Amino acid sequence: KAGVTQTPRYLIKTRGQQVTLSCSPISGHRSVSWYQQTPGQGLQFLFEYFSETQRNKGNFPGRFSGRQFSNSRSEMNVSTLELGDSALYLCASSSTSVTNQETQYFGPGTRLLVL
Amino acid sequence: GENVEQHPSTLSVQEGDSAVIKCTYSDSASNYFPWYKQELGKRPQLIIDIRSNVGEKKDQRIAVTLNKTAKHFSLHITETQPEDSAVYFCAASIVLGGGADGLTFGKGTHLIIQP
Repeated sequence: KAGVTQTPRYLIKTRGQQVTLSCSPISGHRSVSWYQQTPGQGLQFLFEYFSETQRNKGNFPGRFSGRQFSNSRSEMNVSTLELGDSALYLCASSSTSVTNQETQYFGPGTRLLVL
Repeated sequence: GENVEQHPSTLSVQEGDSAVIKCTYSDSASNYFPWYKQELGKRPQLIIDIRSNVGEKKDQRIAVTLNKTAKHFSLHITETQPEDSAVYFCAASIVLGGGADGLTFGKGTHLIIQP
């Protein structure tokens, strides 16, 4: 099976702009989670989608949002970008849920630089 | 919410020696504990995981132990090789409100294998 893919791989934006990142999970996986990785804060959970529903969200402001489509592909959007949003954004997919002890597989990430 | 502490932040060992990385977690409801290896510029890759119904799991040179009473788990790498050099992350599953879940990650351990 093809792995998790993310597009674009690199992005440069300026403060105040918005950005949309895309994630295609492993075929058959219905859960997609998003994480932000920075040197200072490490890997932090953003939100998780399952069957087109956001089940919950981590401790991030409302500028961070997402959605999932019927084919399980997911997008995340960051509005009004700030310098501190510069990070590697990773998505991970699993067949059902981590609570059910399902393994999450990560995509290559999108590296976002906000100038 | 869940909190995962990981130690040490940097670990340098001689090639051929063993390396041990330790993590503690706070939420007794956590039931899934994966370990990821992330090489520079690459995605986190699952190397081993353990579920709450077992105390130890081994895969060739890598082993993980879990002590649910003490709420800690450890990664053991024996006969270390140069290609083991990377950042290693532990994680614990969390159950958020609304039935959602995700992973809480430790801050990572930079493992350096000295030739």
